[in-house]
Amino acid sequence: EDQVTQSPEALRLQEGESSSLNCSYTVSGLRGLFWYRQDPGKGPEFLFTLYSAGEEKEKERLKATLTKKESFLHITAPKPEDSATYLCAVQARGDYKLSFGAGTTVTVRA
Amino acid sequence: DADVTQTPRNRITKTGKRIMLECSQTKGHDRMYWYRQDPGLGLRLIYYSFDVKDINKGEISDGYSVSRQAQAKFSLSLESAIPNQTALYFCATSERQSNYGYTFGSGTRLTVV
Repeated sequence: EDQVTQSPEALRLQEGESSSLNCSYTVSGLRGLFWYRQDPGKGPEFLFTLYSAGEEKEKERLKATLTKKESFLHITAPKPEDSATYLCAVQARGDYKLSFGAGTTVTVRA
Repeated sequence: DADVTQTPRNRITKTGKRIMLECSQTKGHDRMYWYRQDPGLGLRLIYYSFDVKDINKGEISDGYSVSRQAQAKFSLSLESAIPNQTALYFCATSERQSNYGYTFGSGTRLTVV
C-alpha cells in the first residue's frame, strides 16, 4: 500500500526566513509525485509534478526536489501570501489514484 | 466559472437524514473522484468513476453511494448521515494519465449533528 508522510505538521516562519517541507513516501513504482497548495476553505491547487529522482521544479519562491524516498518543498524568502497548507501526493505506475499526505500548514508572519 | 463546481458549499444536517452533494465539471475529463478531508488524516478516496458506466469504491466507501448522471456530473449521497461523517468533501477530476494530477472543486463542508 502506498504511504505518504509529511513533516512537520505545522511551520511558522518570519517573512524572509527560508525553510523546507518534507514528504516521505513508499510506492510500488512511482509514476509521479505531486505537490499542491490548499488555502483555507478552498480545494487544493496544483503546483508541481516530479517524475524521477534528481528532478527539480521551481515556481516563484517554491522549489521542489525528488529523491527515491522523499521530496522536499523549499520556500525561499517567504512572504505572508505563501501561508497555506501544502499537500504531497504520489501515484504509482499503472494506478488511477493519488495517495495524499496529511499536509504541512505554513504560516508566514510579516 | 470554476472548472469543478460543488454544491452546496456548506451544509448542516441531522443524524439519520439523507443528503446529496453534487459536483459538475467543465474540464471535459472522463475521470471523477470523491474525497473526504479530515484534520490530521489527509484526503481519503470515497468513490471514483472512469466514465458514466464505470463506478468503483475507494478506501472508505461504507455509508456512501454515488451516481454518475453524465460525463460532467458526479453526485455523492449519504444515505443515513452520522456524526463521524462530518468532514470537508472534495470532488476532483482528471485525465487518464494527467501530468497535473487532479483538478479539485472548492469543497463542501458537511456537519452532521
